[in-house]
Amino acid sequence: QVQLVQTGAEVREPGASVKVSCKASGYTFSSHGIHWVRQAPGQGLEWMAWISTHNGKTKSTLRFQDRVTVTTDSSSGTVYMELRSLRSDDTAVFYCVRAAARYATSPGDFWGQGTLVTVSS
Amino acid sequence: DIQMTQSPSILSASVGDRVTITCRASQRLTSWLAWYQQKPGKAPKLLIYQTSSLGSGVPSRFSGSGSGTEFTLTISSLQPDDFATYYCQQYDDYWTFGQGTRVEI
Repeated sequence: QVQLVQTGAEVREPGASVKVSCKASGYTFSSHGIHWVRQAPGQGLEWMAWISTHNGKTKSTLRFQDRVTVTTDSSSGTVYMELRSLRSDDTAVFYCVRAAARYATSPGDFWGQGTLVTVSS
Repeated sequence: DIQMTQSPSILSASVGDRVTITCRASQRLTSWLAWYQQKPGKAPKLLIYQTSSLGSGVPSRFSGSGSGTEFTLTISSLQPDDFATYYCQQYDDYWTFGQGTRVEI
């Protein structure tokens, strides 16, 4: 069965970076892109970025463009999301989400369990 | 960027009610509109994609409709398991989510 297993909870100080992993299994890795979605405490869903697991192409929203990097390791079926220059308002749950198809223009059909990143001094 | 606006933000309803949530896009969509359900502490679940297609295992009391810039999610007879937060999402141009609608008793 399809599974997306993410890194456990992380705590970082302001100004630091965090790298969250998302290990995919149960399907052909290169056939589905991966999106990253953020959810601050008590808030809604916010799309951050997408990566093609087929060719490594990436796209991120302007809000995070300078601070986020998404990469993929096809040999292990893992996608990574690194967020730099963390601020207290980056405290959130981060989800990796499988796109229903290879392309970004498809909905998310499977979600990881979420990774809580807490930014605090 | 395409903006998505949902209404209402909070909806109070009872078991058995017919419930409708509206989502408006800032520009015309080519039917690439999805709806998700999220319960507290859980990841969202895909309910509807391509405006009106039911996700895997989703009960038939859920339905979606709309076109252009206005879309709706309807629950024909609200069940206890349906009290949750619902999000619309456009995937015409990467992704954008609406701000969510909490359905409460």
